[in-house]
Order: sequence, then structure tokens, then C-alpha cells
Amino acid sequence: AQKITQTQPGMFVQEKEAVTLDCTYDTSDPSYGLFWYKQPSSGEMIFLIYQGSYDQQNATEGRYSLNFQKARKSANLVISASQLGDSAMYFCAMRDPAVQGGKLIFGQGTELSVKP
Amino acid sequence: DTGVSQNPRHKITKRGQNVTFRCDPISEHNRLYWYRQTLGQGPEFLTYFQNEAQLEKSRLLSDRFSAERPKGSFSTLEIQRTEQGDSAMYLCASSPTLGQQETQYFGPGTRLLVL
Repeated sequence: AQKITQTQPGMFVQEKEAVTLDCTYDTSDPSYGLFWYKQPSSGEMIFLIYQGSYDQQNATEGRYSLNFQKARKSANLVISASQLGDSAMYFCAMRDPAVQGGKLIFGQGTELSVKP
Repeated sequence: DTGVSQNPRHKITKRGQNVTFRCDPISEHNRLYWYRQTLGQGPEFLTYFQNEAQLEKSRLLSDRFSAERPKGSFSTLEIQRTEQGDSAMYLCASSPTLGQQETQYFGPGTRLLVL
């Protein structure tokens, strides 16, 4: 069965520094998609970045980049130049490739705190 | 605002009462999803619609839960005879049908507290 693992319950980073949030996944399907979402205390899940299993390059979106290591089944999120507003929960998710419509399977999340 | 909207944002109810939540997806999105998130956990899939057809239901969706999307636009999620274990955040998401990169965009959620 597909599974997402985030092993860091909480992380601290100094403002303006970079931080890496870990995500490993498990699937036997060769075609899958990986997503990162941010959830502030208000509760809304905000889409950050997507990586497809067949994408040749690591995805980047502004200050967010995804360190995709397919052989290790890892999809770590890198946030550069952290800002106070980056403090939130971060969830890694995988689209279930076996299901029409592709429900998302989420990890447990990592709580990021940015220190001034 | 053309994002996903959900109403109400908060609901407090007594055990045994029925509650109904509404989700309005992004207008051109034909796929709509419901997830439930309990404290300290990631969201868990409940059900999914493509247009008005409900194509999948999770085992989490007991007989007390029902979801509809009557005209392929907005959706409702009803919980009958609520239990304290139903207390959670209920998230709605929508996506277009574009192939593998079908990003799901989430609404602000409805926080349910069952007393």
C-alpha cells in the first residue's frame, strides 16, 4: 500500500536561513505524483509544489524546491531564505496512482517554526 | 475570490444531532474531494466526485455520513447522529482533469466540535 512518512514532528530555523523538511514514500507503481502543502494555524491547506515521478528535473517554485531522489524514494522540501510567515505545518502527499481521480495520501506533517 | 469555499467555518453541535457542510469548488473544476483531519494528523480521504458521480468512498465514511453533488457544482457532506469521535476539521478540495499533475486546491475547512 502507498505510504508517506515524515519523520520530523517539529523543526526550528533561523529567519533568512534555509531548511529541509524530509519526506519518504512507498509505492510499487512507477507513475505517481508528489505534493507539498502548507497549513497555517488558520487551517487552509496551501499548495506549494509538485513533482511527477517521470520528471527529469527537481521541481522549483520561488523559494521552494523539491529534492527528489527516486532511488531512495525521498522527496524533501527545501525552503530557502526562511521568513516568519513560513511558520506552519507542512504536509507531504502522494497521489494514489491506483485510484481513478487520485486521492491524496498525506504524511503526519512537520511543524516548522521560524525564529527571528 | 475564485478559490474553494466552505460553509460554515465552525460548527458546534451536541452528540446525536445532524450536521451538514457545504463546499463550493473552483468553478471549472470537475473533481471534488472531501477529507477529514483530526488533531496532529494529516488529512484522510473520505470521498470523491467527478461531476455529479460519487466514484469512491473511504471505509472511514460510515453509514452515518453521506455526501452529494447534485448538479456537479457544489457538494454537501452530512453527518447524522453525530458522535464525539466525529470532531475534526473537514476539508474540501477540487481539481481539474488534466492528467497526472491534477493539483487539488483546498478550501478553508469546517471545524466540527461535537459535545
